[in-house]
Amino acid sequence: SYVVTQPPSVSVAPGKTARITCGGNRIGSKNVHWYQQKPGQAPILVIYYDKDRPSGIPERFSGSNSGNTATLTISRVEAGDEADYYCQLYDSSTDGVIFGGGTELTVL
Amino acid sequence: EVQLVESGGGLVQPGGSLRLSCAASGFTFSDYWMTWVRQTPGKGLEWVANIRQDGSQKKYVDSVKGRFTISRDNTKSSLSLQMNSLRAEDTAVYYCARDSGRDVAPRYYFDYWGQGSLVTVSS
Repeated sequence: SYVVTQPPSVSVAPGKTARITCGGNRIGSKNVHWYQQKPGQAPILVIYYDKDRPSGIPERFSGSNSGNTATLTISRVEAGDEADYYCQLYDSSTDGVIFGGGTELTVL
Repeated sequence: EVQLVESGGGLVQPGGSLRLSCAASGFTFSDYWMTWVRQTPGKGLEWVANIRQDGSQKKYVDSVKGRFTISRDNTKSSLSLQMNSLRAEDTAVYYCARDSGRDVAPRYYFDYWGQGSLVTVSS
């Protein structure tokens, strides 16, 4: 089965830029989506199709995907961005929906 | 406003059954693929099953095939998950989620989620 890897945690100071990666074999050839989940809440879609933002998601959230790494970038990080972030994709070769293990973002 | 509200979770013994429901509102339910995703305590997310707009196509993760059944009632804007032969490893919060796709094929990303329903399988 297709495996994606996320770092367990990322820390960043307020106002700085956070980058959360999602690694996988030739992941650049797949569509990657990102979700934010705060404690006790349901996930929220923040990026779809690698780089598109749903309405209501701040422009500070952006995405990219190339080669073996997809990246969620959060600019000008705020305390309210503290959450777990999950990447997700559909792997056509296995006909499966794959979620990454999640990355805990800590705002210092 | 799109809303998805799950119900039916609870404590069940191993080998038992439980039926989850999801009441949808704020959108034309019959236009969308729908999905169940679960999250084990303190761990990550796992896609469980999805169903086509008219209920004619259903797909499941291997670990629940033959035990879980997804269904929908478009007249009631309702999604269900019948879970039989439950195991300890099925313990999780179960989320109802809308696939963003209104097409013949799902888009496999989920733009709205319910608040989740906790299922605990334990003796």
